[in-house]
Amino acid sequence: AQSVSQHNHHVILSEAASLELGCNYSYGGTVNLFWYVQYPGQHLQLLLKYFSGDPLVKGIKGFEAEFIKSKFSFNLRKPSVQWSDTAEYFCAVIGTGANNLFFGTGTRLTVIP
Amino acid sequence: GAVVSQHPSRVICKSGTSVKIECRSLDFQATTMFWYRQFPKKSLMLMATSNEGSKATYEQGVEKDKFLINHASLTLSTLTVTSAHPEDSSFYICSARDIGATLHFGNGTRLTVT
Repeated sequence: AQSVSQHNHHVILSEAASLELGCNYSYGGTVNLFWYVQYPGQHLQLLLKYFSGDPLVKGIKGFEAEFIKSKFSFNLRKPSVQWSDTAEYFCAVIGTGANNLFFGTGTRLTVIP
Repeated sequence: GAVVSQHPSRVICKSGTSVKIECRSLDFQATTMFWYRQFPKKSLMLMATSNEGSKATYEQGVEKDKFLINHASLTLSTLTVTSAHPEDSSFYICSARDIGATLHFGNGTRLTVT
């Protein structure tokens, strides 16, 4: 069955710390991968996406993610977080050509000034 | 960039009444739109996939007679919560898929059933 796992439910970091949020998926086929962010009181926004090509994907606001096919992972990283990065982060997977988008349960990031 | 407009953003209705939520892709055509429900402290749960000109595909456990979905055009999908009950109170979000297969989300609708 298709699924997405985000192992970190709540991460608390100080400003300037480095961030890595884990995302693992289970899907029997080629996939497209996404990271979305939801700031407090706002709607989901796309951070970055991977369809094909370079497995290291750079997104907005200094975020990047690396697709490691052998590990079924798509971890999100940022070298130095800011207080404004406090939000909930969702990893999502959709099979190529499919309609169902599977979300992880989200990771809440709290950045302490 | 691609914008999805969802209306209304908040609605309060009485138990037993129906509520319609609209989802519009403003600057692109979306043959496929999705409706999600966000439960507290949980991720989005896909309710149904809305395909323009055909019947929606509902996920297991979602009552299709209660959550009516209509995708009348390439830019508009509607979700109608019929005979609403307090347990239907939730945050409903729509998304539309562009030609590049990226999903763009509406701002969501907070439904409160009293």
